[in-house]
Amino acid sequence: DADVTQTPRNRITKTGKRIMLECSQTKGHDRMYWYRQDPGLGLRLIYYSFDVKDINKGEISDGYSVSRQAQAKFSLSLESAIPNQTALYFCATGPGRGNQPQHFGDGTRLSIL
Amino acid sequence: GQQVMQIPQYQHVQEGEDFTTYCNSSTTLSNIQWYKQRPGGHPVFLIQLVKSGEVKKQKRLTFQFGEAKKNSSLHITATQTTDVGTYFCAGDFGNEKLTFGTGTRLTIIP
Repeated sequence: DADVTQTPRNRITKTGKRIMLECSQTKGHDRMYWYRQDPGLGLRLIYYSFDVKDINKGEISDGYSVSRQAQAKFSLSLESAIPNQTALYFCATGPGRGNQPQHFGDGTRLSIL
Repeated sequence: GQQVMQIPQYQHVQEGEDFTTYCNSSTTLSNIQWYKQRPGGHPVFLIQLVKSGEVKKQKRLTFQFGEAKKNSSLHITATQTTDVGTYFCAGDFGNEKLTFGTGTRLTIIP
């Protein structure tokens, strides 16, 4: 969905490095989400935000942090990357008022050596 | 915790055969959504089911929500090569977030 843009699309880095994944949206949605996808495990929620400065932990938040400084932007950080954080990361947005359909970005493929 | 179980994990079918994937929850869902992810792509919303016993159709796709709102299914009639991908259900337990199933990866044998 071109309305949800993730950068970078691919990243290879080393253990211990700090990494930031960026997500920006032009849909005007209040809600933003970060998911991690691993083969056979589906999509697991890392963090989510319902508004600027609102941050909520998801299912697997350990080792990650997020920042929501503007409605259109939601960034995910790995403070000290480890190999088992190698995965495909998706950002998604959704309008407010209950659980409406989510719109996903194209994903960031992250490899940690 | 709140989980949504989805089976099968993989399904290989001959083109023209039918396909079904199932999702189950141990607790009642507020609603359930279905998404499709094409190979190399991102999840794309297909449909949302809200009412007990609800059945919705989109061309060859039929979505059902169980009477107890604990299970759901997606059935594709006469599969085509364009149906290839991974199908996810995502349950809403009324806590303002979605819990995704593990997905069913559909491959089509021409």
